Amino acid sequence: QQQVKQSPQSLIVQKGGISIINCAYENTAFDYFPWYQQFPGKGPALLIAIRPDVSEKKEGRFTISFNKSAKQFSLHIMDSQPGDSATYFCAADNAGNMLTFGGGTRLMVKP
Amino acid sequence: EPEVTQTPSHQVTQMGQEVILRCVPISNHLYFYWYRQILGQKVEFLVSFYNNEISEKSEIFDDQFSVERPDGSNFTLKIRSTKLEDSAMYFCASSFLATTGELFFGEGSRLTVL
Repeated sequence: QQQVKQSPQSLIVQKGGISIINCAYENTAFDYFPWYQQFPGKGPALLIAIRPDVSEKKEGRFTISFNKSAKQFSLHIMDSQPGDSATYFCAADNAGNMLTFGGGTRLMVKP
Repeated sequence: EPEVTQTPSHQVTQMGQEVILRCVPISNHLYFYWYRQILGQKVEFLVSFYNNEISEKSEIFDDQFSVERPDGSNFTLKIRSTKLEDSAMYFCASSFLATTGELFFGEGSRLTVL
């Protein structure tokens, strides 16, 4: 019940395209859903996060869509750039910063 | 920009040996964490630490693991007797808030157990 399932495992997008990564969770006690970006050799860095009382949050080219009834949330990267090439992790938390991470998506944006 | 620093970046050890991984959290942060990532797998929570004691720990964090903040700046993870399956990237993180605050991760310490 603590699992967070993430898809796809890898994604190739052309420059300027939209990258979409999906996550699904089971535990309805989760109340915070962050996305982390990780470049090779670096630790994960918080990209954007959402709470379940809103259905969408946008920060620049990054948007989280949240569907509470379906227990799903997704990350959309608009106008994807080669510099966005990284591994993206969704996560979920129910207080205490004990994040449950998804399996990660390796994104490659082709020039 | 303040950052979490971890040492060593890579450690190779023999099975059964003790290992200490070190972390310097961001200076005004109050909450400290260890996560690990076995190669090709997801990042997993190990332990959280506040006010010089463990707040939460996962099933992974068994009696072979311990954490301490020995001197007010360093935060360490000790593995008492390493096993092959302890080979992983260990990430230290810190946060200012206790709940759903932003976690700042270090670059990780890669542990290889032979």
